[in-house]
Amino acid sequence: ETGVTQTPRHLVMGMTNKKSLKCEQHLGHNAMYWYKQSAKKPLELMFVYNFKEQTENNSVPSRFSPECPNSSHLFLHLHTLQPEDSALYLCASSQETGRTSHYGYTFGSGTRLTVV
Amino acid sequence: GENVEQHPSTLSVQEGDSAVIKCTYSDSASNYFPWYKQELGKGPQLIIDIRSNVGEKKDQRIAVTLNKTAKHFSLHITETQPEDSAVYFCAALRTGANNLFFGTGTRLTVIP
Repeated sequence: ETGVTQTPRHLVMGMTNKKSLKCEQHLGHNAMYWYKQSAKKPLELMFVYNFKEQTENNSVPSRFSPECPNSSHLFLHLHTLQPEDSALYLCASSQETGRTSHYGYTFGSGTRLTVV
Repeated sequence: GENVEQHPSTLSVQEGDSAVIKCTYSDSASNYFPWYKQELGKGPQLIIDIRSNVGEKKDQRIAVTLNKTAKHFSLHITETQPEDSAVYFCAALRTGANNLFFGTGTRLTVIP
């Protein structure tokens, strides 16, 4: 375990379903991230939360909705997804300290999402 | 924004040989360059990183070199072992930003 736990590990959902991905970090970090990993593409940043506040939304479609209730938990709510949204969704955390950021990202094992 | 290119996409080496993976970046303001290893069924794990105030860093069998003038950095693995088989990603980040830009990954296979 890396200290970042993602659930579920696998998820199959229909295009009309609503589901949520969960991420929890036990590292005391203050920044959390959602990344999308598709085959033969670079990891794509989706959302960034610093101190529970969303600081970046990387042009992600509104069918993906993040939620960060506290600095230890991060959710990704999914609704009316498309088959092309099938991918590995990775959560990461880091300790950001302003000008002197720690930089080290710790990733969870991801949720393998299949949209049918 | 930053653009990170990584080569090769696949690499096979005999056990005991060395492996080299190369990355280039476009943003001259980038100053932090981590390398991640991703094994099957797991998320990427940080294995080594380098900051722009140094040119080389070594940790046992792995080393990273950075050429800021040419904007490229490389991962070197010596005395490769089968457990080194994985996908390796390079990344770049600049101070003040909180978005790591990743390369497309290199699948390394170490043949026993």
